[in-house]
Amino acid sequence: EAQVTQNPRYLITVTGKKLTVTCSQNMNHEYMSWYRQDPGLGLRQIYYSMNVEVTDKGDVPEGYKVSRKEKRNFPLILESPSPNQTSLYFCASSLSGGLLNTGELFFGEGSRLTVL
Amino acid sequence: AQKVTQAQTEISVVEKEDVTLDCVYETRDTTYYLFWYKQPPSGELVFLIRRNSFDEQNEISGRYSWNFQKSTSSFNFTITASQVVDSAVYFCALIPGGTSYGKLTFGQGTILTVHP
Repeated sequence: EAQVTQNPRYLITVTGKKLTVTCSQNMNHEYMSWYRQDPGLGLRQIYYSMNVEVTDKGDVPEGYKVSRKEKRNFPLILESPSPNQTSLYFCASSLSGGLLNTGELFFGEGSRLTVL
Repeated sequence: AQKVTQAQTEISVVEKEDVTLDCVYETRDTTYYLFWYKQPPSGELVFLIRRNSFDEQNEISGRYSWNFQKSTSSFNFTITASQVVDSAVYFCALIPGGTSYGKLTFGQGTILTVHP
């Protein structure tokens, strides 16, 4: 089954404790991206990757890191989480050309992160 | 910088009413792509439509229709004869067609509630 898988789905952590949210897709997609969803602000793009070893900042990259060493994985790293990073996070993927040809971005189920 | 504005934070209608969700965008790119996504209460994000900046034809899909007007930078979404299952958060989004075409910007979202 074609899917984007995020882990963990729920996490409560404390300020400053490094964490990684994993994202994996099984569709051989070139394009992957991360978003955070906050009430009243919609979804805001954190980082995106057009292909392996190619990443770029979205609108709200501060406090986050990403890497794209393999096509299928695009982990989101919070080196020193703070309470303002409490949010619902979504990973998504698409064929690079497909994003423009069909517009279909395949989303993961979301990861709800709470930083105390 | 690009921007997407969905001025209607929440809309409430009674079943069978028609409802229009507004989306206004800003971009310096001459080529760009506009999208609508639906987020039902279950939380997943569902792709609805993609429109190129050079194609201003309106589109209809069942009870859904989209009105794209470059002159007013708007890409509005109408649901005809709304149903309770249409209750969701709806997001409009834009992606530029130039060199940073991976950078996707969402609007704040409109919460639609359809009452029986």
